[in-house]
Amino acid sequence: GEEVAQTPKHLVRGEGQKAKLYCAPIKGHSYVFWYQQVLKNEFKFLISFQNENVFDETGMPKERFSAKCLPNSPCSLEIQATKLEDSAVYFCASSPTRTPRDEQFFGPGTRLTVL
Amino acid sequence: AQSVSQHNHHVILSEAASLELGCNYSYGGTVNLFWYVQYPGQHLQLLLKYFSGDPLVKGIKGFEAEFIKSKFSFNLRKPSVQWSDTAEYFCAVTGGSSASKIIFGSGTRLSIRP
Repeated sequence: GEEVAQTPKHLVRGEGQKAKLYCAPIKGHSYVFWYQQVLKNEFKFLISFQNENVFDETGMPKERFSAKCLPNSPCSLEIQATKLEDSAVYFCASSPTRTPRDEQFFGPGTRLTVL
Repeated sequence: AQSVSQHNHHVILSEAASLELGCNYSYGGTVNLFWYVQYPGQHLQLLLKYFSGDPLVKGIKGFEAEFIKSKFSFNLRKPSVQWSDTAEYFCAVTGGSSASKIIFGSGTRLSIRP
């Protein structure tokens, strides 16, 4: 597609439940990035992929968070045993290359609310 | 450590006023600088970007930014704002040869009074 698609738009989970978010990058883009935005600011980089391979995971919390990009499937970000502080908007972005000069195109985000 | 600072958290202007939003960065080596905008209820959009060359960069919707290397700054400007410019503005940086993750500033909320 011509836009990055993210589903669901909103997700509500009770503490301790699992949350799974999906991202379909723009067709032909090899790189996918996940960012977490807490309280309408403070974007935090989580992880990036080159096709199905993890490219940079320096921002991923060591526990509870995992992500995958499998061939012919949307990428996913999964949070096991959600906590209140996981409440945020999770943005996915895609880019045709890894060159820092290339624009990353952002999806509309998934708002996760943990109660 | 790499960082981006936006000192104005909330700016309120009247229509037709001039705008300047401050952005300072801390990054070793070559940097690429961006301004993104997030309109209410919408996702991030790229306003403009700087890689090299002319330090004065023009973007969409009448915005421009000036890269001043000696001051580590990349301030966003617009000579005459409109009510439709109400949004959150994020300064961002990428750098290096392979570190393509974006480091964002904390954002500046711009409110325009009609």
